[in-house]
Amino acid sequence: DTGVSQNPRHKITKRGQNVTFRCDPISEHNRLYWYRQTLGQGPEFLTYFQNEAQLEKSRLLSDRFSAERPKGSFSTLEIQRTEQGDSAMYLCASNVGTLNTEAFFGQGTRLTVV
Amino acid sequence: KQEVTQIPAALSVPEGENLVLNCSFTDSAIYNLQWFRQDPGKGLTSLLLIQSSQREQTSGRLNASLDKSSGRSTLYIAASQPGDSATYLCAVKGSGGSNYKLTFGKGTLLTMNP
Repeated sequence: DTGVSQNPRHKITKRGQNVTFRCDPISEHNRLYWYRQTLGQGPEFLTYFQNEAQLEKSRLLSDRFSAERPKGSFSTLEIQRTEQGDSAMYLCASNVGTLNTEAFFGQGTRLTVV
Repeated sequence: KQEVTQIPAALSVPEGENLVLNCSFTDSAIYNLQWFRQDPGKGLTSLLLIQSSQREQTSGRLNASLDKSSGRSTLYIAASQPGDSATYLCAVKGSGGSNYKLTFGKGTLLTMNP
């Protein structure tokens, strides 16, 4: 499978615990994005990387959230001290870093905080 | 701030009908517009990408049009089938300082009736 891969697909955690998600983009894509989607809403932008550099972070990304993309390959999104409001689908997307290219999304990680 | 609206929020139609989904956006300064399909609990599948200089794109039974000046796009689905049941999302990529991210509507939930 050469698409965007996300792991795990589902995560249930207790409030206050830390969680980490992984995204493997399409191999030749230098741009990688994280979005969050809550029930009944469209995805909302969180952050993006061009190669290993994190170039933009949304105000939605509180201090409890951190994302990395070491060596410009896979990316991780960590949430510390999870809250019930963090329950959502976390989507990763990638594309080639020109303005007009198509974005490809992974299957997402569904986070439930109990 | 770019806002994307999709009407209707939900649509139930008999199989075999042709149907139209609508998307509108407030800021016409966009690079492109992308239509996605999302099955329940899944990620996003890209359907069509229209560049800002284009008027329409076609893929199989799908045709998407773009009227950039009026801030509107439509997705036309011909001869609808049971497998078309899903949520359809419209997203725009802005120009200027936000040329890296997609802004999504809330989607149209399409249900096919046998």
